[in-house]
Amino acid sequence: EVLLVESGGGLVQPGGSLRLSCSASGFTFRDSWMDWVRQAPGKGLEWVANIKPDGTKKEYVDSVKGRFTISRDNARNSLYLQMNSLRADDTAVYFCSHSLNDWGQGTLVTVSS
Amino acid sequence: DIQMTQSPSSLSASVGDTVIITCRASQAISDSLSWFQQKPGKAPKSLIYGAANLQSGVPSKFSGSGSGTEFTLTISRLEPEDFATYYCLQYSFYPRTFGQGTRVEIK
Repeated sequence: EVLLVESGGGLVQPGGSLRLSCSASGFTFRDSWMDWVRQAPGKGLEWVANIKPDGTKKEYVDSVKGRFTISRDNARNSLYLQMNSLRADDTAVYFCSHSLNDWGQGTLVTVSS
Repeated sequence: DIQMTQSPSSLSASVGDTVIITCRASQAISDSLSWFQQKPGKAPKSLIYGAANLQSGVPSKFSGSGSGTEFTLTISRLEPEDFATYYCLQYSFYPRTFGQGTRVEIK
C-alpha cells in the first residue's frame, strides 16, 4: 500500500521560511517522479513543483520560482519542499504526490503576522 | 500556461442520475489528462489518467473520453459517496494546470 506522510507545516510570518517533508513507502521511490500540489483555503488545486527520480530535473509554477526548492533523498525515501520568502498567498494545504496518482493527507502552511 | 476550463462549475443531481463534466484545454494536450475526485478535508483521489484509463480500484461507473482540447468525465448511477468536487489536470506541458473544479451536489 502506498503511503505518503507530509510534515513540517505550521504558522510562519511573511518573509519567513519553512521546510516541508514527505515520507514515502509502498512503492519504489527512487524510480518515481514526485510532485507537490497545494490548495488554498476554499480554493482549487494548484500544482507547485515536481522532481525527476534522480533529482536532476525540477520544474516549478512561476509563482514560486526563485523562492521554493524541491529536493529528494532517495536513500531516505523522502521528498522535501524548501519554502523561502513566504507570502500570505502561499497559505495552503500542501500535498505530496507520487506521480499525481497517490497523495498524502496534506500539511497546512499558514503565512500570517 | 495551458488554461483548463471545466464546466459546469457546479451541478445538482439525484442518486441514480448520470452526470457529465467537461474540461477544455486552451491548446491541444493529446491525451495527457487526469481526473480527480476530492471530498471536503481530504486529499484528491485519482480516477482517470491518459484521458480514458481507469485507475486501479476505481469503479467502472466512472469513465473518461476525449483528446486534444475537449475531454469529458461521465459518472453513471450516482451514489451518495459520489457527491464531491471533481478536477481535471493536464500534464502535457509545464506548469501542470488544473481545472477550477466542478462541485457535484445532491438535489
